[in-house]
This record gives sequence, C-alpha cells and structure tokens, in this order.
Amino acid sequence: GAGVSQSPSNKVTEKGKDVELRCDPISGHTALYWYRQSLGQGLEFLIYFQGNSAPDKSGLPSDRFSAERTGGSVSTLTIQRTQQEDSAVYLCASSLDLAGGFTGELFFGEGSRLTVL
Amino acid sequence: GQQLNQSPQSMFIQEGEDVSMNCTSSSIFNTWLWYKQDPGEGPVLLIALYKAGELTSNGRLTAQFGITRKDSFLNISASIPSDVGIYFCAGPGTSYGKLTFGQGTILTVHP
Repeated sequence: GAGVSQSPSNKVTEKGKDVELRCDPISGHTALYWYRQSLGQGLEFLIYFQGNSAPDKSGLPSDRFSAERTGGSVSTLTIQRTQQEDSAVYLCASSLDLAGGFTGELFFGEGSRLTVL
Repeated sequence: GQQLNQSPQSMFIQEGEDVSMNCTSSSIFNTWLWYKQDPGEGPVLLIALYKAGELTSNGRLTAQFGITRKDSFLNISASIPSDVGIYFCAGPGTSYGKLTFGQGTILTVHP
C-alpha cells in the first residue's frame, strides 16, 4: 500500500490478556516508530527501530511491553498481561533512511485503538 | 527528559478567525515541526523549521522558529471548518531520528 498500515484498527480485550498490534511501514522506509496516544494526551514515544541498529526502547513503560521488527519491515508491538491503563491509541510511523539527514517527517498510520476492560 | 509545553490546550473559534498557538521547550532545539491530526487519523506534517528565526508559510499557515531556539509558534489565518483537529509541535528527541511531541492544541471551528 501507499501508506503505513496498522492492524487491527480496534481491539477490545480483557484485563490480563496479551495483545499484538501490527505495523506495515511504507516500502523503503528504514526507520519505524511506535507512539502511544492516551485520551487528552500528546504522543508518547515508545520504541524506535532504525535499520539494523539496536532499537531505542527507552520509551517502553514496563517490561510487559515489547516490540520486534522482522526483516527490516513489518513490526509487532506486544503487550502482555494488559491493564486498564494500557487503553490508548497506538500509532506507528515510518520515515526515510536517516543517513542523509533527519528531516523530522514521520508518516503515521491511522493507529490501533486498544480498549482494556 | 526533554519536554515540550504547548498552549493553549484547546481553542473554540468562529470560521474566518485567525488562530495562534505556541510551543516552548526546556532545551534548545535545532528543528521545530508542526503536525496536524484529523479525527481518526494519524498526524501529518504541516511545516518544518530548521533555522533559528526562520519564518515559513504553507498556504494559510505560518510558523516561526524562535530566536532563542526554545520556542515556536503556528498561526492559521482565516480559519475554515476543515482546520478542526489536534495540532502538535515536535522537536528532536534524545537520540538521532527520534521526535518528542507536545501535548497538542485541540482546535474547534464553528461555522
């Protein structure tokens, strides 16, 4: 597709269950980001992948959160033992190779809305 | 960590009015960015600023990179209903390629 694709668009789960959120970035984009947006809040950085470098995991809120990026393309964000405070919109973004300089332009998907009951 | 303070948090205006919002940083930035998020969508880049004092326009939008490099503002002239959404400022995070976002300004435009 032409843009960043995320799935599922909506996920309702019960407290304590594990969830997986998927992101398919724009073809050729080497950088991939996950952000979280809670109601009334800004965008909270979670994790960032750039090429083959070790990911920047500094924004993951707890060890229940993990993410991987397979083959330098698709990424999966996993939340284990979900809690109600995990309810939010999880946004994925990608950007071009940063080797030529970072312009700041991230291309976002529409997000995955997670509701934990 | 770096923090961006964005104000106002929300604005309710009449169609045709001008809008101004700003963003301040706790540290010096070498890049300021303004994004807009339409309801149900991801944010989209509106304007990027790369030089202190730079004033850049994009249609009815004008943004400036503050001389101190710790602030930026965004103006929207002659607002229209499709300007509704959340406007975010953003700047470089603590590692290369990472962005830190402000809390957002929610704009509502009444026809």
